[in-house]
Formats: sequence, C-alpha cells, structure tokens
Amino acid sequence: DQQVKQNSPSLSVQEGRISILNCDYTNSMFDYFLWYKKYPAEGPTFLISISSIKDKNEDGRFTVFLNKSAKHLSLHIVPSQPGDSAVYFCAASGRNTGNQFYFGTGTSLTVIP
Amino acid sequence: DVKVTQSSRYLVKRTGEKVFLECVQDMDHENMFWYRQDPGLGLRLIYFSYDVKMKEKGDIPEGYSVSREKKERFSLILESASTNQTSMYLCASRTPGTGDNEQFFGPGTRLTVL
Repeated sequence: DQQVKQNSPSLSVQEGRISILNCDYTNSMFDYFLWYKKYPAEGPTFLISISSIKDKNEDGRFTVFLNKSAKHLSLHIVPSQPGDSAVYFCAASGRNTGNQFYFGTGTSLTVIP
Repeated sequence: DVKVTQSSRYLVKRTGEKVFLECVQDMDHENMFWYRQDPGLGLRLIYFSYDVKMKEKGDIPEGYSVSREKKERFSLILESASTNQTSMYLCASRTPGTGDNEQFFGPGTRLTVL
C-alpha cells in the first residue's frame, strides 16, 4: 500500500523554464514532507522540507507547496538548470510513523540545454 | 562534512550465499535505516534501528536481518541470497526528533544475485 505516490515517472523541461514535480499522499497524519534528489550511482541528498503547519517553503530556486486538503505537494524549480537533471523523491513522516519515512517512487527530471 | 559509508559499491553473489552489507556513519546518529531501491517502486524500508542493539522491521523485512552492535555501524544480512534480492541497497542515518530531521544517505550498494 503506497502511502506516498509520484504519478509521473519522468519529466523533461527546457533549461530556464519551470520544473514542477508532484507528489500525493494518503495518510492524513503525515506532518513533515521532504524532497530528496538522487544522481545515478549516488545516495539521495536532502533538498528541501516543509512542515504541515505551512503551505509554502522556499530555498533559492526551489519552492515546495503543500495543499493539505488535497493531500498534495509539489516542488517547483525555477529556473531549471541542466545540473538539476536527477531523480527526485518525495518523502513523508508523521506522529504515527515513529522515525519511519515513506518515500514515493521518484520522478526522473531531465533538463534540456 | 557528514559521512555515511557503505562497504561496497558493487557486489555479485550467488543464490544461497550469506551476504553482509555494512554501513558506517560518523555523525553520532541514533537512528539508522536500510532501504532498497527498485525501478518503479522507489525506496522501500527494510529495517531500521533506533539505537544500539535495537531494531524494527520496515515494510519488506522478509529474507533480511540486521545487526547494530555499535552506534556507528548498522549491518544488513541476507541469510540466503535469492535473485529477487538483486537491487540497490541504501543505508541512511539521522538524529531522532521532529520529522524534518533529514536522513543522510550512503552512496548505495548495487547487489546482483546470480
């Protein structure tokens, strides 16, 4: 039972344009959401997070939006750069998950120069 | 610079072999995790450990066991490797606390079971 879903396995965007990666979740008890970025042959690295008490968090070119009523979050990358080409995972945790994080299936982003 | 290291980047084993995957972190983190990553399935939690000698099953513990004798080291054991355990294995660690305490990942071990 996948509690965190990323329905787009891949996304291609032109350099300089906006990349929007989406994530849906089913567990209403999740209260923290994180995005990780993964290059081939490397482990995932933390990118940005958001608490359920917020609806937006921004860090440079990266912004995460949270819509709790829709159980949906999105990661916006503006402007997209070729170095952003990677697999992006969203993850969630909550009061009833202890220290466990639930990860989505990932979206492979390709930024075309 | 925080560091999570895994004993091997690539490993090839035969069906039925006992396999040990080692993970070491230098951040004095209490929590450690083992995941496997498969195409279309994302990262799935195998086991995690709250602290030394403590372990909890994740979503897919069958066919695996773990050992945490020292705080910095978390081992994943495949008792009798099977071809369906061919995968990328990722170790992670974190400080317990609020959910936005990020996990730090190792580079992964690509295991092939023939």
